[in-house]
Amino acid sequence: AQSVTQLGSHVSVSEGALVLLRCNYSSSVPPYLFWYVQYPNQGLQLLLKYTTGATLVKGINGFEAEFKKSETSFHLTKPSAHMSDAAEYFCAVSGRVKAAGNKLTFGGGTRVLVKP
Amino acid sequence: DGGITQSPKYLFRKEGQNVTLSCEQNLNHDAMYWYRQDPGQGLRLIYYSQIVNDFQKGDIAEGYSVSREKKESFPLTVTSAQKNPTAFYLCASRKDGLYGYTFGSGTRLTVV
Repeated sequence: AQSVTQLGSHVSVSEGALVLLRCNYSSSVPPYLFWYVQYPNQGLQLLLKYTTGATLVKGINGFEAEFKKSETSFHLTKPSAHMSDAAEYFCAVSGRVKAAGNKLTFGGGTRVLVKP
Repeated sequence: DGGITQSPKYLFRKEGQNVTLSCEQNLNHDAMYWYRQDPGQGLRLIYYSQIVNDFQKGDIAEGYSVSREKKESFPLTVTSAQKNPTAFYLCASRKDGLYGYTFGSGTRLTVV
């Protein structure tokens, strides 16, 4: 079974500072990896994904994440936080087998607060 | 524009009543999913469907039922057997061969 752990349910950063959100996964084979963002009372929006190829993945809104197989990690970063980055962020994994439904398993989420 | 529509956005239900949440997509996506979101617990899978007239239980299917009579529609019924139904419910869809979901804007269900 797959599982996802996000370290820190809340993160506070100053505007202009580095944003670092940690995600570790457990899977018998390297899964597909995703980061989503959720604004209050809304659905989830895909930030970026890793399926194959280059391990450093760039997404929308200046975010990027690096897949590190040896560390089973997929941490999300943004060099300079903006007030609009205040939201909840979810890391998710999906298996590679269609027969299993390509189901997404989510971490518990990290809520980001940006201080002026 | 294509997308997923969930309705209603807010729903109140009395204890002991069944209620159905609507999810419609016009993206021509093949698979559809229902997730439940509770604070601090992330999203948990209730049911999913990869093709019309077929669906599978997720991790927390007890007290819920679904149908998939049309490709575009995947309604979720929260039955009176669900002991703690107050939550935010999210519907999602995915196109075969692609990875990652498109999400609806959610329905917040409150039992009163």
